[in-house]
Amino acid sequence: GNSVTQMEGPVTLSEEAFLTINCTYTATGYPSLFWYVQYPGEGLQLLLKATKADDKGSNKGFEATYRKETTSFHLEKGSVQVSDSAVYFCALSGLTGGGNKLTFGTGTQLKVEL
Amino acid sequence: DTEVTQTPKHLVMGMTNKKSLKCEQHMGHRAMYWYKQKAKKPPELMFVYSYEKLSINESVPSRFSPECPNSSLLNLHLHALQPEDSALYLCASSQEGVGANNYGYTFGSGTRLTVV
Repeated sequence: GNSVTQMEGPVTLSEEAFLTINCTYTATGYPSLFWYVQYPGEGLQLLLKATKADDKGSNKGFEATYRKETTSFHLEKGSVQVSDSAVYFCALSGLTGGGNKLTFGTGTQLKVEL
Repeated sequence: DTEVTQTPKHLVMGMTNKKSLKCEQHMGHRAMYWYKQKAKKPPELMFVYSYEKLSINESVPSRFSPECPNSSLLNLHLHALQPEDSALYLCASSQEGVGANNYGYTFGSGTRLTVV
């Protein structure tokens, strides 16, 4: 079956530091890949996506590239802010016999300090 | 309208109560989902509706009963829950088929359920 593996958290960074959160996946077929962000007490928001190999998703300074050869979709940001503190989930979407299923990684908590 | 609206935002219920969670979207999405999220864990899929028909039930106990009255509404009926069912319940919607893969899923802000 499909699965997503994320680096363990929490990740603590100083403001303006460079961020990388690693994500690798196992899937059959041609899944799409997503990063979702969850702020405290809220639901999930789609941060960025990529639907095929070598696609780069980007939003709000965050980027991730769909690497089929390494089955990875690492999240990066050049300069984090305190407001980026949240939990980040890597996910993949694939069609199953019953319909679409979104499979999540375990989530990585990011804390950004002044 | 690009939102998924969930009500109520918070719910406290006793183990003998019957309550319902509601979810609404007006994006024309024909796939709708219920997820359960425990603290510090990723969301776990419970049910998938496709064109108002239940297509996936992830072996969820019968004390949770989903309903999709029309293409915009999704309910989750709760009965005889246990304290361990306390969690954040998230509703999501997407286009069907390849559309879900191409455009992603839109999540509501969730209902925080406490069973006492």
